[in-house]
Amino acid sequence: QSVLTQPPSVSGAPGQRVTISCTGSSSNIGAGYDVHWYQQLPGTAPKLLIYDNSNRPSGVPDRFSGSKSGTSASLAITGLQAEDEADYYCQSYDSSLSGPVFGGGTKLTVL
Amino acid sequence: EVQLVQSGAEVKKPGESLKISCKGSGYSFTTYWIGWVRQMPGKGLELMGIIYPGDSDTRYSPSFQGQVTISADKSISTAYLQWSSLKASDTAMYYCARPKYSSSDAFDIWGQGTIVTVSS
Repeated sequence: QSVLTQPPSVSGAPGQRVTISCTGSSSNIGAGYDVHWYQQLPGTAPKLLIYDNSNRPSGVPDRFSGSKSGTSASLAITGLQAEDEADYYCQSYDSSLSGPVFGGGTKLTVL
Repeated sequence: EVQLVQSGAEVKKPGESLKISCKGSGYSFTTYWIGWVRQMPGKGLELMGIIYPGDSDTRYSPSFQGQVTISADKSISTAYLQWSSLKASDTAMYYCARPKYSSSDAFDIWGQGTIVTVSS
């Protein structure tokens, strides 16, 4: 059980908007630590999608966006495409564990 | 090009030792932390620990403290993850990763992964 909680799965039709939540606590997201998001396509290494809550690395489409509020963060994907079908992970720092931690991951299915 | 290249797949028996590697290139290896991440079959990402090759400062996640050893040889820009006595439950894919900038913990450079299979 990770200290960052994500829904196990979400789904959406092509063109739709989906959001993935990442719920933490006062020892991680709520303490002001940054949240990062990763996309992992089947059989590949994770890829940084969003860093420092809402920043996109070069090359990541603006269909992907991140936000943070209180003890939670969200990843939003607009204009859903078949190629977005993947596992998504949030990550933050946890002061109780004295290190970065990943969320449990969310499988996105494009219907 | 900044990259991390990991050593190849391993098949081991329970009780055996193992050391896998992660070689960095295209950047100053000593000024960025390197993290090791475990992904068990069909499961999520788990950060095992991080090392700063510049001074070998190493931090372990509580679940992995005492279970593995993380080290680095800055002379050859290589980080290591090792086990003294493998268990079947160590079967997993292992990734090394580097943060986007030296004071960040957002991992933007990842190795290709090393799959470790432990079976009698």
